[in-house]
Amino acid sequence: DQQVKQNSPSLSVQEGRISILNCDYTNSMFDYFLWYKKYPAEGPTFLISISSIKDKNEDGRFTVFLNKSAKHLSLHIVPSQPGDSAVYFCAASEGGGSNYKLTFGKGTLLTVNP
Amino acid sequence: KAGVTQTPRYLIKTRGQQVTLSCSPISGHRSVSWYQQTPGQGLQFLFEYFSETQRNKGNFPGRFSGRQFSNSRSEMNVSTLELGDSALYLCASRPDRVDEAFFGQGTRLTVV
Repeated sequence: DQQVKQNSPSLSVQEGRISILNCDYTNSMFDYFLWYKKYPAEGPTFLISISSIKDKNEDGRFTVFLNKSAKHLSLHIVPSQPGDSAVYFCAASEGGGSNYKLTFGKGTLLTVNP
Repeated sequence: KAGVTQTPRYLIKTRGQQVTLSCSPISGHRSVSWYQQTPGQGLQFLFEYFSETQRNKGNFPGRFSGRQFSNSRSEMNVSTLELGDSALYLCASRPDRVDEAFFGQGTRLTVV
């Protein structure tokens, strides 16, 4: 049973426009959410995170929105740049203690066209 | 600060052999976790170590094991390799009481 789902395997946007990547989760115990960016043959790079007590977190061009009632989060990239082309993973955790682990979605391939 | 370092980057092994992968975390990070990435299953949690103790384990067979040393460096071992163990193995470290994990570049294991 997939607890974190990214239903769009791929997304293509024009340079300068907004990219919106979506993620849904089913486990109510998740209390922290993260987005990672990954290039082929490299490890994931941490982008931005949000705690379940917030509904928005912003860092430069990246904003993450959390809708707890809908169990949905999204990553907005504005403006999109060709260098943003990569696979984006949504991840969730149930806390940073002894039960810590990250549960990942299967990723969305973002292509930003010049 | 240096990032998470994994060695080797690439490895080819034969079915039935065993393999050991190594991970050096970011300085000061006591938590090290391991993940397996395959095209079909995505990124899956293997286990987490903290101060030389395994604190959490994912749903993998006992052929997958690990350990952590007093300097927080960690090793992961897979015994009796199967073709399906071919994957990118990723190590991540994080500071205490923080959920953000920082990943190494991974070890690409190919079992033939």
